[in-house]
Amino acid sequence: GAVVSQHPSRVICKSGTSVKIECRSLDFQATTMFWYRQFPKKSLMLMATSNEGSKATYEQGVEKDKFLINHASLTLSTLTVTSAHPEDSSFYICSAITPSGRALEQYFGPGTRLTVT
Amino acid sequence: AQSVTQLDSQVPVFEEAPVELRCNYSSSVSVYLFWYVQYPNQGLQLLLKYLSGSTLVKGINGFEAEFNKSQTSFHLRKPSVHISDTAEYFCAVSDQRAVDSNYQLIWGAGTKLIIKP
Repeated sequence: GAVVSQHPSRVICKSGTSVKIECRSLDFQATTMFWYRQFPKKSLMLMATSNEGSKATYEQGVEKDKFLINHASLTLSTLTVTSAHPEDSSFYICSAITPSGRALEQYFGPGTRLTVT
Repeated sequence: AQSVTQLDSQVPVFEEAPVELRCNYSSSVSVYLFWYVQYPNQGLQLLLKYLSGSTLVKGINGFEAEFNKSQTSFHLRKPSVHISDTAEYFCAVSDQRAVDSNYQLIWGAGTKLIIKP
């Protein structure tokens, strides 16, 4: 149980275009999802906390107008990278927690590799 | 603020040899501790966690870790490694935010385990 999927697994886009990444909890309802960014050879950086039915909470330094997060249902959160630039190229990972859980019990998706050319 | 230190960015070890990956944290309150593994181009998988109780925690794939409160450490160990253990290992600590009472994970920089045949 507690499987989280991400789609797509890899995406290449041209500079200036927008890209949407989906994060789904397959066998449980996730009231809260987290979006992370991972730079090469570095740790995960929490970008934002996404709560179903409300606005996402962004971490300091993360541009909310550039990284749009929508948590429209209990099983789906999306991250849209708007007007992508090469510096947005990265590995994006989402995680989810069950309604009864806390961030102590995060279930991670397999990640999405974004390359902006 | 809490922080997590993984002193070794890379640990090379021969196959079937024992290994220890070090993790130290800073915190003035009780903590919850985690080790995650990331295989190449994949998401994160929980290896083990310490929430309370016995300080020796056993996880998947033959790994274990010991919580040492006096030394603020949570080192990961395996008595005999295999080629398949080649991966990046991340230590993480909980951090309860006062604002929303939601636990957040603070991540170490990761340690790359390199298994030599």
